[in-house]
Amino acid sequence: DTEVTQTPKHLVMGMTNKKSLKCEQHMGHRAMYWYKQKAKKPPELMFVYSYEKLSINESVPSRFSPECPNSSLLNLHLHALQPEDSALYLCASSQERGPSYEQYFGPGTRLTVT
Amino acid sequence: LAKTTQPISMDSYEGQEVNITCSHNNIATNDYITWYQQFPSQGPRFIIQGYKTKVTNEVASLFIPADRKSSTLSLPRVSLSDTAVYYCLVGDNFNKFYFGSGTKLNVKP
Repeated sequence: DTEVTQTPKHLVMGMTNKKSLKCEQHMGHRAMYWYKQKAKKPPELMFVYSYEKLSINESVPSRFSPECPNSSLLNLHLHALQPEDSALYLCASSQERGPSYEQYFGPGTRLTVT
Repeated sequence: LAKTTQPISMDSYEGQEVNITCSHNNIATNDYITWYQQFPSQGPRFIIQGYKTKVTNEVASLFIPADRKSSTLSLPRVSLSDTAVYYCLVGDNFNKFYFGSGTKLNVKP
């Protein structure tokens, strides 16, 4: 199974809402990533978890809160988002941390903040 | 941090070989070079990775000159289904890394 799943596929939320994005992989990978991608732009790295510990936080605003409950799951908790946070949020995993390891991406969650 | 530069877009015809170059003049010793393909509304998909010289797999080749300041992704005999955005990524396993700006390849019949 080389699949990374993400739920939900689409999410519309108001600026006062709290919601969570979920990502799951069962490949035994020890690194998991969150990216944000705006239209016609490359994916931007947000967070990297390695062995369930946060190892890179790319100066992301605190309204985004990652969580790695176990080695297969990665969550992104959202609170008090702004309209400019609307984007495709991608999750990925790799055997170990870093670009020398092939990253497997999920299909993404399309987030719209109203 | 290695900054990368790619052409914004390229056009090709079915059956042709396509070469997409990525410039990374300040690549560091520990940096790897990786290429990803992305279709609209999908996550990127790994194509190929290398450190130096030439790497080939079942879908592409990657050419890296000795100074490693650039790399060229070669797609043999492209088809319409190869129309996508291609990103190069340069970085090591310990620091933050960035996707390049991407090259939109348009394959015409």
